Amino acid sequence: DTGVSQNPRHKITKRGQNVTFRCDPISEHNRLYWYRQTLGQGPEFLTYFQNEAQLEKSRLLSDRFSAERPKGSFSTLEIQRTEQGDSAMYLCATQGSGGELFFGEGSRLTVL
Amino acid sequence: QKEVEQDPGPLSVPEGAIVSLNCTYSNSAFQYFMWYRQYSRKGPELLMYTYSSGNKEDGRFTAQVDKSSKYISLFIRDSQPSDSATYLCAMRASNDYKLSFGAGTTVTVRA
Repeated sequence: DTGVSQNPRHKITKRGQNVTFRCDPISEHNRLYWYRQTLGQGPEFLTYFQNEAQLEKSRLLSDRFSAERPKGSFSTLEIQRTEQGDSAMYLCATQGSGGELFFGEGSRLTVL
Repeated sequence: QKEVEQDPGPLSVPEGAIVSLNCTYSNSAFQYFMWYRQYSRKGPELLMYTYSSGNKEDGRFTAQVDKSSKYISLFIRDSQPSDSATYLCAMRASNDYKLSFGAGTTVTVRA
């Protein structure tokens, strides 16, 4: 499978714990995006990378959130001191040569 | 007011019917328009990708963009139960790769 891969697919955690999600992009795509989707809503932009450089962060990305993309390959999204409001689907996407975005299957976070 | 408005439905149609979906938007800078299909608890899957105004057809799917009215549509012909999903419209400006999404319309095709 050469698509965008995300893991874990589902994470259940207690409030206050830290969680980390990983995204493995389509290899030839340089731009990588993180989006968040809550129930009944469309995805909302969080941040994006051009290779290893994080070029833009949304105001949705509080200081408890941090994203990295070491060496411009896989990316991680870490949420520290999780809150119940962080419960959502976290989607990773990479960008094709025509500008279209290809999404992974998502990592669903449930904070108890 | 949201930048992209999409009726959440739900929409229920019999098998074989034409499904009509639409979105309106307020940002006149949007130039690229997409439709994604999302099955329950899965990631969005790109269906159609169009630039500026006009029509694009791909199999049973037709996407229309009317920039003068800030209105985009997706039509699904000969709908099948496997088309039952949530359909998301998305769009972006030429100088911005971030997508703005609608809330999604949930469609059920009854066998």
